[in-house]
Formats: sequence, structure tokens, C-alpha cells
Amino acid sequence: DQQVKQNSPSLSVQEGRISILNCDYTNSMFDYFLWYKKYPAEGPTFLISISSIKDKNEDGRFTVFLNKSAKHLSLHIVPSQPGDSAVYFCAARSNSGGGADGLTFGKGTHLIIQP
Amino acid sequence: SQTIHQWPATLVQPVGSPLSLECTVEGTSNPNLYWYRQAAGRGLQLLFYSVGIGQISSEVPQNLSASRPQDRQFILSSKKLLLSDSGFYLCAWSVPRTGWDTEAFFGQGTRLTVV
Repeated sequence: DQQVKQNSPSLSVQEGRISILNCDYTNSMFDYFLWYKKYPAEGPTFLISISSIKDKNEDGRFTVFLNKSAKHLSLHIVPSQPGDSAVYFCAARSNSGGGADGLTFGKGTHLIIQP
Repeated sequence: SQTIHQWPATLVQPVGSPLSLECTVEGTSNPNLYWYRQAAGRGLQLLFYSVGIGQISSEVPQNLSASRPQDRQFILSSKKLLLSDSGFYLCAWSVPRTGWDTEAFFGQGTRLTVV
């Protein structure tokens, strides 16, 4: 049973336009959400996060939106650049983690920025 | 600053052979440590986490084991590898959770191919 779902395996966006990556979750105990970016053969790198007490967090070109009632979050990248081409993972953490902060990840979305 | 080292970067092992992947963290004390695996076509899956020396929790039943002999050292092992153990293994660390702003930091990963 997948608790974090990224239903789009890939997304192609033209350079300069907005990229919107979506993520849905089912576990209502999740209280902290993160986006990671991953290049081939490298470890994921942290991009941006949001806690469940907020509905928006912005960092430069990256904005994450959280809709708790819909159990949905999205990552917006504006404007999209060629270096943004990567796999993006949505991740979530439960407040019942028992002291550890293991993350539950989605399967990832491969973002391709076209010139 | 904190850094995480994971080795080797790539590994090809025959079925039935043992495995030992090592991960060390520098620049922090008493981190939470994690082993994740990304199998082909799947997201990142949490395998083990540790909140302290000698304390290991397993998230999924499998052919693998983990140990934490020192505060900043985390080892992933197997006595006999299976073909299904092939994948991309990632070590990660995080600060024990005290507030909202925590995330996991990943190593570069190990590409394991069991043949």
C-alpha cells in the first residue's frame, strides 16, 4: 500500500515555463513533507519542505503548496531551467515516528526541461 | 559542516556472496542514520534506521541486516546475496527531531548488481 503517490512518472516542460509536480498521500499522520531532487547515479538532494501547519513555502524559483484536506501537495518551479531536469521525489514524515525520522517516498517524477 | 561518506560507489557481486556497505558521517554527533534502497521502477524504500549505537530498527523483512558499531558509522550487510537484492542503496542521516525544520541528508549511493 503506497502511502505517498506520484502518479506522473514523467513530465516534459519547455524551458522558461512553469513545472508543476504533484504528490498525493493517504496517511493522515504525516505532518512534514519534503521534495528531493535526484540526478542519475547520485544520492537525492534536499530541495524544499513544508510542515502541516502551513499551506505554502517558497524558496527562490521553488514553491511547495500543501492542501491538507485533499492530502495533496505540489512543487512549482518557475521559470524552469535545463538544470532542473532530474527525478523529483516527494517524501513525507509521520509525527508518530517513535523518535526516528524515516521518510516515506513516492516513486518519483522524471522532469524533462526542453529547450 | 556535516558530510556523509558512502562506499563503494558500484559493486557487482555473485549470488550467494556476502555484502558489506559502509557509511560514515562527519561533523555531527548522535545522528539518526538510515539505509534506503531504490529498486528499478520503484521509489526510495526505507530499510533500516538507527537512533543510537547498537539500536537498529528494520522496516521491511529481507535478506539484509544493519549494524551501528560506532556513533557515526552505519553498515549494511548480507550473508548471502539474492538476485532481488540488486538496486541503488543510499545511506542518510538526520538530526534527531526537535522541531519542524529537519530533513535527511543522503550519501552518493551504491549501485549493487547481483549476478
